[in-house]
Amino acid sequence: SQELEQSPQSLIVQEGKNLTINCTSSKTLYGLYWYKQKYGEGLIFLMMLQKGGEEKSHEKITAKLDEKKQQSSLHITASQPSHAGIYLCGAGRYSGGGADGLTFGKGTHLIIQP
Amino acid sequence: DADVTQTPRNRITKTGKRIMLECSQTKGHDRMYWYRQDPGLGLRLIYYSFDVKDINKGEISDGYSVSRQAQAKFSLSLESAIPNQTALYFCATSDFKTATSYNEQFFGPGTRLTVL
Repeated sequence: SQELEQSPQSLIVQEGKNLTINCTSSKTLYGLYWYKQKYGEGLIFLMMLQKGGEEKSHEKITAKLDEKKQQSSLHITASQPSHAGIYLCGAGRYSGGGADGLTFGKGTHLIIQP
Repeated sequence: DADVTQTPRNRITKTGKRIMLECSQTKGHDRMYWYRQDPGLGLRLIYYSFDVKDINKGEISDGYSVSRQAQAKFSLSLESAIPNQTALYFCATSDFKTATSYNEQFFGPGTRLTVL
């Protein structure tokens, strides 16, 4: 099955600054899911990338999938306190779609300083 | 009302006790999953189910069992709880379209389990 490594593990950013979180896979990435988790709570789906080169945006969050590099990046523009939390990337354990469950990275803890 | 609910939200139990965590969903999804989250280890898959008659082991199924009582209900049991099963447990659901389609998983709020 796949292994996903996220970097950085934690990030402290001043409010208003931009930031990038990376997710690198040990195998070819056919699809990738990004989730956000507030501490001790459930996961909130952010976006899903299915094709190499695909880029999606939601409000101030943009994610890209680079199949050749087996990597996805999540970029937040003009960070706000509401962006604070744990960001998790996930990929199908065996199939791209994740029907048989997802493998997750260990998460990136994002703190926004006023 | 929440689409995926988990009960209890918090539970403290003792080593050797049997405990059941329950998950219910109103999304009408066929697929359901149980994950556990540990600090520094991320989420790991325990069991998953494609429908009432189709249940499969995940990465870390030892020490756990599951029951899919109905399409909407999927429960996780710890037959004899041990301290290293202390974790945050999540239930998730997804909608079946095709075997290869990409479908987001919807997560419940989690159950925080402590085994003393």
